[in-house]
Amino acid sequence: QSVLTQPPSVSAAPGQKVTISCSGSSSNIGNNYVSWYQQLPGTAPKLLIYDNNKRPSGIPDRFSGSKSGTSATLGITGLQTGDEADYYCGTWDSSLSAEVFGGGTKLTVL
Amino acid sequence: EVQLVQSGAEVKKPGESLKISCKGSGYSFTSYWIGWVRQMPGKGLEWMGIIYPGDSDTRYSPSFQGQVTISADKSISTAYLQWSSLKASDTAMYYCARHHLGYSSGWYNYNDYWGQGTLVTVSS
Repeated sequence: QSVLTQPPSVSAAPGQKVTISCSGSSSNIGNNYVSWYQQLPGTAPKLLIYDNNKRPSGIPDRFSGSKSGTSATLGITGLQTGDEADYYCGTWDSSLSAEVFGGGTKLTVL
Repeated sequence: EVQLVQSGAEVKKPGESLKISCKGSGYSFTSYWIGWVRQMPGKGLEWMGIIYPGDSDTRYSPSFQGQVTISADKSISTAYLQWSSLKASDTAMYYCARHHLGYSSGWYNYNDYWGQGTLVTVSS
C-alpha cells in the first residue's frame, strides 16, 4: 500500500488531454514539494516535473504539474502514442523522513 | 554530460551477499546526494535511501533500515548498495539516481538523473 494514492490507469485518445491525480496528506504533499516521473516500458524512470510545477530542460511544455492542499496533478496535453508509460508522483514525507512514491498510473493512448 | 552507470545483472542464491555499484560522471560527485530505488517485478517504485558522498551522511527508508547498506567511495565517484544475506524477496530491479534534497518553505526532493538499473535475481 503506497503512501501516495494514484489511479491505476487512465486513457485518452491521441491529441487529447489527460490528468493524473496524486493524493497524500499533510505530512507529505500538504507541506512539501511534488515531483513526477515517466517510466517507458523497460527503461529507467525519467524526471518530468519537480518542485510541483517546474520542468527540467528538454521536457516539453505539454507536461505540467500543479498542487492544491494535499493533492497534486500531472497534466499532459496533445497526447502522443509515445506518451504511453507508467507515471509516478513522489514527495518527501516529513513523518517518515523518507521519499515516498505513488503506486503509479498506467497511461494508455487509445 | 551527467551519467550514472550501474554494474551488471546478478544471479544469486538465498543467503549470499552482494554489492552493486553506481558510478557517477559529468558532475561533482561529492556535491549531490545519490539515492537507491527498488522496483520489484511488475510493481512500483520504492525509495530505499540516500547517501551524500561528500561526508557519507546516509539516510534510510524505515522499510529498508537494517536490510541493506548504502555506501560510497568518493575517490572513484561510486556509490554502492549491499546485502549481507539475500532473500528471494530481494529479486528486483535496483536504480540509483542523483537526488536533490533541501528545505525552502517545505522539503523539496527529486531525482534528476537515473542509472540504467541493475537486475538482481535471487533464486535457489
